[in-house]
Formats: sequence, C-alpha cells, structure tokens
Amino acid sequence: DQQVKQNSPSLSVQEGRISILNCDYTNSMFDYFLWYKKYPAEGPTFLISISSIKDKNEDGRFTVFLNKSAKHLSLHIVPSQPGDSAVYFCAASVRHNQGGKLIFGQGTELSVKP
Amino acid sequence: EPEVTQTPSHQVTQMGQEVILRCVPISNHLYFYWYRQILGQKVEFLVSFYNNEISEKSEIFDDQFSVERPDGSNFTLKIRSTKLEDSAMYFCASSRRDTSGGELFFGEGSRLTVL
Repeated sequence: DQQVKQNSPSLSVQEGRISILNCDYTNSMFDYFLWYKKYPAEGPTFLISISSIKDKNEDGRFTVFLNKSAKHLSLHIVPSQPGDSAVYFCAASVRHNQGGKLIFGQGTELSVKP
Repeated sequence: EPEVTQTPSHQVTQMGQEVILRCVPISNHLYFYWYRQILGQKVEFLVSFYNNEISEKSEIFDDQFSVERPDGSNFTLKIRSTKLEDSAMYFCASSRRDTSGGELFFGEGSRLTVL
C-alpha cells in the first residue's frame, strides 16, 4: 500500500536555511493532509494540516503547499533550527468518511546542522 | 496540556502469549485509534473506535487483535497469541469528533518485543 509516499528518506540542511520536505499521494479521494513530527522514543506530534480546498497553509515557520493536480504536497520550514531535527511524516485522510484514519508516508529524517 | 498516555512503555513477551497494551486518551476526545510502527517501516493504521464499537479496521487487525474501552477512560489493545511479527511500537491516538477528524493526538507508544 503506497498511497502516500515520501521518496527522500533523509534530508540535511544548514541552520537558518530552508528545509523542504516532499510527499506524493495516489488516492484522489484524500481531502485532508497533515504533517507530523516524530522524535525518537516519542509518538508523532501534529505539526500542520491542509484541506484539499486550499493550496497553502502557514503557521509560523512552517508552511504546507498542496498541488492537487500533481497529487503533491510539501512542507517548508524557514528558517530551519537544530531543534527541528526529527523524522517528518506526511499523512492523508478521507476526512469525513473514515473517522480520522490516517495513511502515513514512510517519513523523512531531517537533520539541521548548526 | 492534556496528553495521551500509554502503558507499558516496553513489554517483552514469549511467542504465543497474550499481551494487553493500555492507553488513556485525552478526556474530551471521542475517537480512539491504535497504530503501529514496525522498526524501519511506516506508521500503519490498525483500528478506530467510536461510540463503544470499532468503526474501521485494517487487514492487519485480524482475529488475534481486539480493542476495548472497559471503564470510560482506558482504551486497550489485546493481542491474543503473539507472533514474532507483532514486534513493533504500538501507538494509541485520540481525536475530538468536532474538529478536523484527522488531527490525532498520539501517545508516546508501547514497544512490544516478541521472542
């Protein structure tokens, strides 16, 4: 089941620069997309979300972009900070039909170097 | 800030034994979930639970698995006869019905090791 794919297993950026994490999906029924952040030995923590009726949502240093025609979304973090180093999971759901069931991507491990 | 709590943090068991993983969801949440992550793999949906019944389950959630909300605060996952491939981190999550539906709050996980 590869409905949500994160093709980059890892990403390394310099502190202060932009981090761009990418995610592709195949199921056109998905109408809600989320990014979760996960530190080792902790559960995923919600970061930011976007509904399919929007193409951009911004929250502080974090912006999520959605390109429905390409079935692609991305998370931009700017400026990146060392504390952002974690695994980032993209997730998608059919929001109103499945009670919040999320389909996760494989994750991208972000390393922000001082 | 309210949080989802899970116990135990780590359990080691012999193959064929029964295991119960416990979770206390956030108190005003109405939807409850179990997910798991096998080492090195993606987080996978197991089951969702609402109004005291399963609302959806994945193909992973076979007859060996069951969930229960025994007392209005705890939410448990039982694996009747554990297999080696059940070794994983199990995450409980909860959400409020009247918000996104997709914004789940996860616990820190229970690591299950089956020997």
